[in-house]
Amino acid sequence: GESVGLHLPTLSVQEGDNSIINCAYSNSASDYFIWYKQESGKGPQFIIDIRSNMDKRQGQRVTVLLNKTVKHLSLQIAATQPGDSAVYFCADCSTGANSKLTFGKGITLSVRP
Amino acid sequence: DGGITQSPKYLFRKEGQNVTLSCEQNLNHDAMYWYRQDPGQGLRLIYYSQIVNDFQKGDIAEGYSVSREKKESFPLTVTSAQKNPTAFYLCASSMARGNSPLHFGNGTRLTVT
Repeated sequence: GESVGLHLPTLSVQEGDNSIINCAYSNSASDYFIWYKQESGKGPQFIIDIRSNMDKRQGQRVTVLLNKTVKHLSLQIAATQPGDSAVYFCADCSTGANSKLTFGKGITLSVRP
Repeated sequence: DGGITQSPKYLFRKEGQNVTLSCEQNLNHDAMYWYRQDPGQGLRLIYYSQIVNDFQKGDIAEGYSVSREKKESFPLTVTSAQKNPTAFYLCASSMARGNSPLHFGNGTRLTVT
């Protein structure tokens, strides 16, 4: 079946460094992508989204890059802070009649002080 | 503040008992969803509803039931037929299905012994 997956289960970075979290998706019809952050014991929190007519989108300290050719999505976090420590999920969707968000399993970002 | 409220945060039940998880939203969203989250796995869709008095099965609907009598409310009942009910349950809502981000509640952790 088609699924969204993440390459690495954990990522450890030094405070102040930039973080890059990668995600591969398999549904070539996907045209909407989202990154979520989930802190322990809480629900996922929306970070940023991007549609397939864009390659890059920037938010506050975060940038999402989309490479449709290789079906790859990445989340870049600038100047990583301890508060960025969490599990990050990517999700994708094809906005058709039976559209459904497919979530990856998540990657843990750990920020070293 | 607008948001999604799930209650209770922790719930304990004996095996064989049905239990209902509450989800209320004041975001005026049409679509609502229930997901299940297990350690090391992504979010799995249980049920979703795009409009009042209508709902659809997700990927793992067996052993669960829902109702959507009001736009603001989408309760989930975990029945005794659900073989592995212990999990973290997340409710979400969105403006429209498939092309807008989901907003999540903070979840209910259900433990069945």
